[in-house]
Amino acid sequence: QKEVEQNSGPLSVPEGAIASLNCTYSDRGSQSFFWYRQYSGKSPELIMFIYSNGDKEDGRFTAQLNKASQYVSLLIRDSQPSDSATYLCAVALKGGFKTIFGAGTRLFVKA
Amino acid sequence: KAGVTQTPRYLIKTRGQQVTLSCSPISGHRSVSWYQQTPGQGLQFLFEYFSETQRNKGNFPGRFSGRQFSNSRSEMNVSTLELGDSALYLCASSGHDEQYFGPGTRLTVT
Repeated sequence: QKEVEQNSGPLSVPEGAIASLNCTYSDRGSQSFFWYRQYSGKSPELIMFIYSNGDKEDGRFTAQLNKASQYVSLLIRDSQPSDSATYLCAVALKGGFKTIFGAGTRLFVKA
Repeated sequence: KAGVTQTPRYLIKTRGQQVTLSCSPISGHRSVSWYQQTPGQGLQFLFEYFSETQRNKGNFPGRFSGRQFSNSRSEMNVSTLELGDSALYLCASSGHDEQYFGPGTRLTVT
């Protein structure tokens, strides 16, 4: 079982729709959860991080964490073509930033 | 605030050679982590340094090593390069909560 699993996609949504990206993790000792966006040929860009169960909102982005189900998700509201990228879910254990990444979900937002 | 910088940005080496990559973190950040990204394996954690000490280590062979200096700048070294070491090497700078990536060094081993 992979430590961090994501649906590889591609996920295609129309412009203005909500894009929902999901991620599961295997280590219950995981403490910090991150979502990154990576455009082709670029390095990952941090979108959000979350530590506590529940929702965390930042602009058009909402991260949701459910530690009991070992599940973290990212919602992108009012999706724009510029949101088309690979979204990486990442999980870190206690004691630093040893961060395990999922394989990423490719998102396409159609104009 | 300046972001994470990595040098060089591109590098071509021959099998058997060694290489040293450099990373300057965001001012005030004391943690620097290194990652390898390849199309087949994705983003994989190499190691993390905090206050000049290796705090975490991934599952890479001993040919991959690193260090951190008192100003938090970090270097990673790969000895006896193999073709499979061709990858994008990313450095990440961390403060208390979050982790930011540099632009990466694209290493090609021929």
